[in-house]
Amino acid sequence: EAQVTQNPRYLITVTGKKLTVTCSQNMNHEYMSWYRQDPGLGLRQIYYSMNVEVTDKGDVPEGYKVSRKEKRNFPLILESPSPNQTSLYFCASRPRGRGEAFFGQGTRLTVV
Amino acid sequence: QQQVKQSPQSLIVQKGGIPIINCAYENTAFDYFPWYQQFPGKGPALLIAIRPDVSEKKEGRFTISFNKSAKQFSLHIMDSQPGDSATYFCAALNQAGTALIFGKGTTLSVSS
Repeated sequence: EAQVTQNPRYLITVTGKKLTVTCSQNMNHEYMSWYRQDPGLGLRQIYYSMNVEVTDKGDVPEGYKVSRKEKRNFPLILESPSPNQTSLYFCASRPRGRGEAFFGQGTRLTVV
Repeated sequence: QQQVKQSPQSLIVQKGGIPIINCAYENTAFDYFPWYQQFPGKGPALLIAIRPDVSEKKEGRFTISFNKSAKQFSLHIMDSQPGDSATYFCAALNQAGTALIFGKGTTLSVSS
């Protein structure tokens, strides 16, 4: 089954404790992205990657890091989480040049 | 201008009604316009999409109307059902295929 898998689905952490949210896709897509979803603000892109070892900032990259060492994986790293990073996070992938994006189930992160 | 403006933010209709969600863009370099549907606790999923060389596309009860000269497109849901209650996002893909820009979303509630 074609899918984007994120883990964990839910995470509660404390300010400053480094965390990683994993994302994996099995569709051999070139493009992968991370979004955060907040009420009234829609989907805001954090980082995106157009291929292995190619990443770039989206609209709200501050406080986040990413890496793309393999085509299928695109982890999101919060080196020192803060309460304003409490949000619902989605990973998505799509084929090069196409607009049909496939989203993961989401990760609800709470930073206290 | 890399922006897609979506309205209304929320919408309540009765069962059988025809909710209409509108989106507008400024960048004429967009050439693919998908709509995504998101149910609570799930990631967005592609619902229907259109290219600017056609003015309308229907898939079941869902119709996209596209006005290239006005740089506007809209989603109509015929004979709406309570199961259509969800958040809907419009989006636009640039011609290079590198940027998929989302509107802020519309939360639709269909009452029975």
